[in-house]
Amino acid sequence: DIQMTQSPSALSASVGDRVTITCQASRGISNYLNWYQQKAGKAPKLLIYDASNLETGVPLRFSGSGSGTNFTFIISSLQPEDIATYYCQQYDDFPPLSFGGGTKVEIK
Amino acid sequence: QVQLVESGGGVVQPGRSLRLSCATSAFTFSNYAMHWVRQAPGKGLEWVAVISYDGSNKYYADSVKGRFTISRDNSKNTLFLQMSSLRTADTAVYYCARDKYDVLTGSMGYWGQGTLVTVSS
Repeated sequence: DIQMTQSPSALSASVGDRVTITCQASRGISNYLNWYQQKAGKAPKLLIYDASNLETGVPLRFSGSGSGTNFTFIISSLQPEDIATYYCQQYDDFPPLSFGGGTKVEIK
Repeated sequence: QVQLVESGGGVVQPGRSLRLSCATSAFTFSNYAMHWVRQAPGKGLEWVAVISYDGSNKYYADSVKGRFTISRDNSKNTLFLQMSSLRTADTAVYYCARDKYDVLTGSMGYWGQGTLVTVSS
């Protein structure tokens, strides 16, 4: 099974700050990686697929990069509506599909 | 727009069974693989099961294998999760999700709002 290690588990940043989240796969997954946003009490929402492709309608301040085992998710300028927990998920090899542990983003 | 609406959650005693449903609309259900994903209270996301577009292939997480059965009715655009021998550890919000593409990729592009299952005596 592929394990996904996400860091940090939580962060606090100011509005306008650049926020960076990393995700490491236990073995290479090419670019088969998604990033989801989950706001409190809501379902997850796909933001980025295939490691770096922005889903339709997602603001350009969100971006993703990486391939193989190391991936990065960036919010270039944090906005109040970005408060959420973010998850990475691999879909290179399953079953099982696997998620990272999540990163809770808060406003400082 | 694509809609997924889960139902069937509730409180159930350990060892009992429960069936979840996911009613879908605004897309050709029979073309897409469908998933169940769960989230225990205050915890992260855990993939549970997937079924191919025609029901011929089904895969499960080890934690539910042999106890849960995923199925679908393409004539009714509905996905199901039959849960048996329930444990307290199965307490979670259960989400249904549609694969992003009309081939089974494991990339979940659309999600329902979830239904809460509480296993407690």
